Amino acid sequence: EPEVTQTPSHQVTQMGQEVILRCVPISNHLYFYWYRQILGQKVEFLVSFYNNEISEKSEIFDDQFSVERPDGSNFTLKIRSTKLEDSAMYFCASSGGRNERNEQFFGPGTRLTVL
Amino acid sequence: KNQVEQSPQSLIILEGKNCTLQCNYTVSPFSNLRWYKQDTGRGPVSLTIMTFSENTKSNGRYTATLDADTKQSSLHITASQLSDSASYICVVTPTGTASKLTFGTGTRLQVTL
Repeated sequence: EPEVTQTPSHQVTQMGQEVILRCVPISNHLYFYWYRQILGQKVEFLVSFYNNEISEKSEIFDDQFSVERPDGSNFTLKIRSTKLEDSAMYFCASSGGRNERNEQFFGPGTRLTVL
Repeated sequence: KNQVEQSPQSLIILEGKNCTLQCNYTVSPFSNLRWYKQDTGRGPVSLTIMTFSENTKSNGRYTATLDADTKQSSLHITASQLSDSASYICVVTPTGTASKLTFGTGTRLQVTL
């Protein structure tokens, strides 16, 4: 069964460093999403992406964040200058359509630890 | 502000027993409500999806109910198994967006022998 994959599973970085989190969505999906989950808190929407541009973003997704689809298979989230509060689990998701009923399939997540 | 609250926060039950998890939401109008299962260290996996006009939806031992008038949903797990130990998250999709899923706080379920 096709699934969303994410790398790395765990990333440790120093405050102020740039990190890139990688995702490979399900191959025939066209809509991509990033979410984050701070330890012990609820999952929060960050951004959605379609046709090589951002469709929607939350207030969390500020200028420190960017997303890119550098090739036909990868979808990345870049944090330019990490802060301690960026420590969280980051989930990538993809869906086959933009209809509200289209299920989003989530990857296993990348745990980001900022020291 | 759109919110989704769940109760209880955590629950421990014996294997083979049934349990019911609750979800209250303020998201309005909404398109659909989903229940997800999230194993520790993994991404959420969808269990059920209901539109505002549906009252109940089953998926094996999982049965979700929805009361759009009172803005409440429940997830009933029958004959629990050890593998049911996970967090169960209620997620509401506001009308007009397929992206901004609103996640609940989750219920942490532990099934023991």
